[in-house]
Amino acid sequence: DAGVTQSPTHLIKTRGQQVTLRCSPKSGHDTVSWYQQALGQGPQFIFQYYEEEERQRGNFPDRFSGHQFPNYSSELNVNALLLGDSALYLCASSLVMVPGSPQETQYFGPGTRLLVL
Amino acid sequence: AQKVTQAQTEISVVEKEDVTLDCVYETRDTTYYLFWYKQPPSGELVFLIRRNSFDEQNEISGRYSWNFQKSTSSFNFTITASQVVDSAVYFCVLRGNGGSQGNLIFGKGTKLSVKP
Repeated sequence: DAGVTQSPTHLIKTRGQQVTLRCSPKSGHDTVSWYQQALGQGPQFIFQYYEEEERQRGNFPDRFSGHQFPNYSSELNVNALLLGDSALYLCASSLVMVPGSPQETQYFGPGTRLLVL
Repeated sequence: AQKVTQAQTEISVVEKEDVTLDCVYETRDTTYYLFWYKQPPSGELVFLIRRNSFDEQNEISGRYSWNFQKSTSSFNFTITASQVVDSAVYFCVLRGNGGSQGNLIFGKGTKLSVKP
């Protein structure tokens, strides 16, 4: 049973560039959430995708955008990178039993470490 | 507003000691869920437990146990007879019921170091 996978594992970009991170959910899961984890901090919720639509969004600017594909995989795009975007980006997948319900458990991937120079 | 407070930033113990990680949460939701995740140095968050707000039974899983008390809004995690492999950052997590806060709210984490 494949778990959540993310690519790439590490990435180095310069300020102003754009980056795309990828996530494949755990087998049988239909929902993908993205989190940003700065060094020494807990993860912060970016947004969640379900049925190929952004369902919820945290307090992140429009530079952060995403997409979910029919096979439930997802991409996170960040435009106009800033030094402060350097972080571990985590993808989590879950299976929605009831839309809007908080009960499902999210399972996390290994993350992508992004460094912006 | 929803919030999770883990007052202990770092804890260091010697192998075989028992250790308790504290967690206090705030929420106005009547239905909510609490989680604990473990993050080893590799970075991947590992799910440990989920508790529902309407189920205050404590739970034990091997060397791990959890004490959920709604009266004090606490959800503490105890590791009995700690081992070096328990060294990691542990996050207490809250998920409320809908709205913009419908997703996971993490505490800042407690870094546990278990020395041989």
